[in-house]
Amino acid sequence: NSKVIQTPRYLVKGQGQKAKMRCIPEKGHPVVFWYQQNKNNEFKFLINFQNQEVLQQIDMTEKRFSAECPSNSPCSLEIQSSEAGDSALYLCASSPVGEQYFGPGTRLTVL
Amino acid sequence: GDSVTQTEGQVTVSESKSLIINCTYSATSIAYPNLFWYVRYPGEGLQLLLKVITAGQKGSSRGFEATYNKETTSFHLQKASVQESDSAVYYCALSSNTGGADRLTFGKGTQLIIQP
Repeated sequence: NSKVIQTPRYLVKGQGQKAKMRCIPEKGHPVVFWYQQNKNNEFKFLINFQNQEVLQQIDMTEKRFSAECPSNSPCSLEIQSSEAGDSALYLCASSPVGEQYFGPGTRLTVL
Repeated sequence: GDSVTQTEGQVTVSESKSLIINCTYSATSIAYPNLFWYVRYPGEGLQLLLKVITAGQKGSSRGFEATYNKETTSFHLQKASVQESDSAVYYCALSSNTGGADRLTFGKGTQLIIQP
């Protein structure tokens, strides 16, 4: 079973508000991923890190989304100005190399 | 780009009967991607069920199995006899194998409903 911790489990924000969620990867896993799963069950990769450095990120992430994975602190994903279309389940996964282990997710609702 | 197709959004099977959940893939970034099945049980997070990284090989876990078929680009999930506890949403996924930090591309999932 995965030991990835995500907080909070539920997040409700108004449009234009900041939304921040956190992830503690499994100990010893150098790679961290963020995905968005929308109401149609579609997954979208957002960003990944290896040892605190960004490896890849999509264009959406570069604009309103920001993320970091500092050493000795939880990773975080922040949406600067939430939009209704950001309502989704945000999944954090960590990886030793190869398979990915997922946390329970943060369910964001933007009113 | 890469894609994964699961043709059935929902599958209903009677308890103790056999199961097949279809998955086909298209990988443009790499010839032989790594293939995975993940499962989400009600109220729980996404869990890795099984993976296969070599074409032609079979992976198995908890009575489920899937064979990596590079000719048909398929990775169907099968089980000989399902139980009520298998009710869940099953996701097929692929990643390239270029270094271990590669993103997953998921299908849209198949909800498995077990009839008693």
